[in-house]
Amino acid sequence: DQQVKQNSPSLSVQEGRISILNCDYTNSMFDYFLWYKKYPAEGPTFLISISSIKDKNEDGRFTVFLNKSAKHLSLHIVPSQPGDSAVYFCAADLTGGGNKLTFGTGTQLKVEL
Amino acid sequence: EPEVTQTPSHQVTQMGQEVILRCVPISNHLYFYWYRQILGQKVEFLVSFYNNEISEKSEIFDDQFSVERPDGSNFTLKIRSTKLEDSAMYFCASSRQGGSNQPQHFGDGTRLSIL
Repeated sequence: DQQVKQNSPSLSVQEGRISILNCDYTNSMFDYFLWYKKYPAEGPTFLISISSIKDKNEDGRFTVFLNKSAKHLSLHIVPSQPGDSAVYFCAADLTGGGNKLTFGTGTQLKVEL
Repeated sequence: EPEVTQTPSHQVTQMGQEVILRCVPISNHLYFYWYRQILGQKVEFLVSFYNNEISEKSEIFDDQFSVERPDGSNFTLKIRSTKLEDSAMYFCASSRQGGSNQPQHFGDGTRLSIL
């Protein structure tokens, strides 16, 4: 089951620069997308979400962009901080799907000093 | 900030034994979920629960699994006759409402090790 894919297992960025994490999906019925951050030994922490009726949502340093025609979304973090170093998961949901989130495999972000 | 709490953080059980994983969802949330993550794999949906009923379950959630909300605060996942392949991190989550546009908030998980 590869309905949500994160093709980059890892990403390294310098502090202060922009981090861009990517996610692709195959199910055109997905209409709600979320990004979660996960530190070791902790559960996923909700970061930001976007509905399919929008193409951008911003919350502080985090912005999510959605390109429905390409079935692609991205998370931008600017400026990146060392505390952002974590695994980032993309997840998708669909109306009437029983609130069943489908997760990607995650991208390990490392923000270096 | 309110959070989902899970106990125990680590559970070690002999194969064939029953195990109960416990969760306290966020107090004003009405929808509850269990997910699992086998080491090195994706987080996978198991079951969603609302109004004392299962709303949706995955193929993984077979007859050896059951969920219960025994009181006003706890939400449990029971695994009967555990197997080696049940070893995983189990995450509980809750959301205020159901439907799309409702973020789910996760606990820190229970690491289940089957020997």
